[in-house]
Amino acid sequence: DAKTTQPTSMDCAEGRAANLPCNHSTISGNEYVYWYRQIHSQGPQYIIHGLKNNETNEMASLIITEDRKSSTLILPHATLRDTAVYYCIGPNDYKLSFGAGTTVTVRA
Amino acid sequence: DTGVSQDPRHKITKRGQNVTFRCDPISEHNRLYWYRQTLGQGPEFLTYFQNEAQLEKSRLLSDRFSAERPKGSFSTLEIQRTEQGDSAMYLCASSRRPREQYFGPGTRLTVT
Repeated sequence: DAKTTQPTSMDCAEGRAANLPCNHSTISGNEYVYWYRQIHSQGPQYIIHGLKNNETNEMASLIITEDRKSSTLILPHATLRDTAVYYCIGPNDYKLSFGAGTTVTVRA
Repeated sequence: DTGVSQDPRHKITKRGQNVTFRCDPISEHNRLYWYRQTLGQGPEFLTYFQNEAQLEKSRLLSDRFSAERPKGSFSTLEIQRTEQGDSAMYLCASSRRPREQYFGPGTRLTVT
């Protein structure tokens, strides 16, 4: 199984961009990378996914390196409500494999 | 609210009792999933339904666990003879596409 590696935690100042890295060096050419987040006491929430092109939606941007071995989730203007655990999910069909994720704390 | 709903939100039970949780998915979603999450860990996959058919069960789903999705609508997860190790958050998700899943708020089970 392809695995993902994320930092355990990171802090971000409110209003600044938060850049969350993920390594997925064993991902194969047709496998997407998905990102979810989980705010305390809530279920996980889908954020974005991508294959090889950069993607943007109303929540975030996803930058995938040309070799596809890593990606960065960007929260352009972090707010206190973005404090959550962020999961970079490698391929495993429908069985989402969450791992430990990155705990992001946005500070005022 | 047309999101995934779960009932109850919290359940406290004594060891050895049976419990049943309910999940109501987003109405147009034919795929439904159950996950379990313990403190400090990410959710772990338990089982998957496509319409009413249960297509996969994780080895985490022991014989004491059973899940159903009659008529491909709501789903129930039953735990028989609960043990303290069953204490966890039980999460339900639904989707149209396999990996873009929408999660409910979860049912927190405490076994005393």
